[in-house]
Amino acid sequence: EPEVTQTPSHQVTQMGQEVILRCVPISNHLYFYWYRQILGQKVEFLVSFYNNEISEKSEIFDDQFSVERPDGSNFTLKIRSTKLEDSAMYFCASSQGLAGSSYNEQFFGPGTRLTVL
Amino acid sequence: LAKTTQPISMDSYEGQEVNITCSHNNIATNDYITWYQQFPSQGPRFIIQGYKTKVTNEVASLFIPADRKSSTLSLPRVSLSDTAVYYCLVGDGGFKTIFGAGTRLFVKA
Repeated sequence: EPEVTQTPSHQVTQMGQEVILRCVPISNHLYFYWYRQILGQKVEFLVSFYNNEISEKSEIFDDQFSVERPDGSNFTLKIRSTKLEDSAMYFCASSQGLAGSSYNEQFFGPGTRLTVL
Repeated sequence: LAKTTQPISMDSYEGQEVNITCSHNNIATNDYITWYQQFPSQGPRFIIQGYKTKVTNEVASLFIPADRKSSTLSLPRVSLSDTAVYYCLVGDGGFKTIFGAGTRLFVKA
């Protein structure tokens, strides 16, 4: 069964450093998403991406964040200057069609645990 | 996006049927109802989706009354491995997906 993969599984960084989280969505999917989940809290939407551009972003996704699909298979989330409060699990997801529309489920990756010291 | 309300937590025993109800009073005409399951330290996993009446798959059933202001996820004969957080989402296929707090189901032996 095809799956979304994410690397690394755990990233430790110093405050102020840049991090890039990588995701490989399912190959025939067209819509891509990033979410984060702070420990013990709910899953929070960050951004959606379609046709090589951001479709929608949340208020969390400020100028410190960016996304890119550099080579047609990878989908990356960059945090330019990490803060302590960026420590969370980051999930990538992909869907064949628009999530929430008829039977177009999102497939989530296993997540990257980001720890900012 | 329609706001959803679910119980914070539920307890059950192995072999029982579990029903988790989600309230979504301001659901829009085009909105679908989708349920996800999340285990600790894993990404959410799609369980079931529906628009109206009843939907059943190999994992669960989803009951949606005629007014669509609520929905009930039914898990038949739960096992210990069904201990997880269950999220109800309502949306029309837009690019933004909002997860609520979810229902933490704890299945006991």
